[in-house]
Amino acid sequence: DIQMTQSPSSLSASIGDRVTITCRASQPIGTYLNWYRQQSGKAPEHLIHGASSLQVGVAPRFRGTGSGTDFTLTITSLQREDFATYYCQHSYGEPPFPFGQGTTVDIK
Amino acid sequence: EVRLVDSGGGFVQPGGSLRLFCATSGFPFNFYSMTWVRQTPGRGLEWVSSISGRGDTTFYAESVKGRFSVSRDNSRGSFEMQMIDLRVDDTAKYFCAKSSCSGADCFSALDGWGQGVQVTVS
Repeated sequence: DIQMTQSPSSLSASIGDRVTITCRASQPIGTYLNWYRQQSGKAPEHLIHGASSLQVGVAPRFRGTGSGTDFTLTITSLQREDFATYYCQHSYGEPPFPFGQGTTVDIK
Repeated sequence: EVRLVDSGGGFVQPGGSLRLFCATSGFPFNFYSMTWVRQTPGRGLEWVSSISGRGDTTFYAESVKGRFSVSRDNSRGSFEMQMIDLRVDDTAKYFCAKSSCSGADCFSALDGWGQGVQVTVS
């Protein structure tokens, strides 16, 4: 099975900062990569699919890039609601579709 | 509006059984595959199981294979997961989720989520 590895596991930032999170797949997955944000106590919410396509209604400050095995999620200007945990997940081929271990963004 | 409502969690002893339910509305249910995801503080999000739109194809994580079983009722817009032989490490919050792509055998990102239900095995 394909494994997903995120880094860093946590980071501290301030409102307005640019933040980058990376995700690596254990084998090539094309652009079948999704990103989620999970605010404390809430269900995850879908941000990006296809490595770079924004889900309808998601703010344009979220940008996804990458293909093959290496992917990044960039938040260009961190907002208060972005202090949360972010997960990548692949959807290449058939399930299982594991998630990365998560990256927590907290306030510096 | 897409709506998913989980129910059926609870407290059970090791070896026991529970059934989780997910009621949905706001989208053509039979066109979308559905998934269960669980979460523990120590392990983050864990994909558990998915079922195709017609209900004729299912997938399970190795950790639950043979113990968990998913099914769906397309006439009611609901799907469920029967869990038997529960273990302490099955303790988690369980979420039902909807695939973002339509098509009976399409499995992809998850763009709709229930609120989650707690399952505690102790």
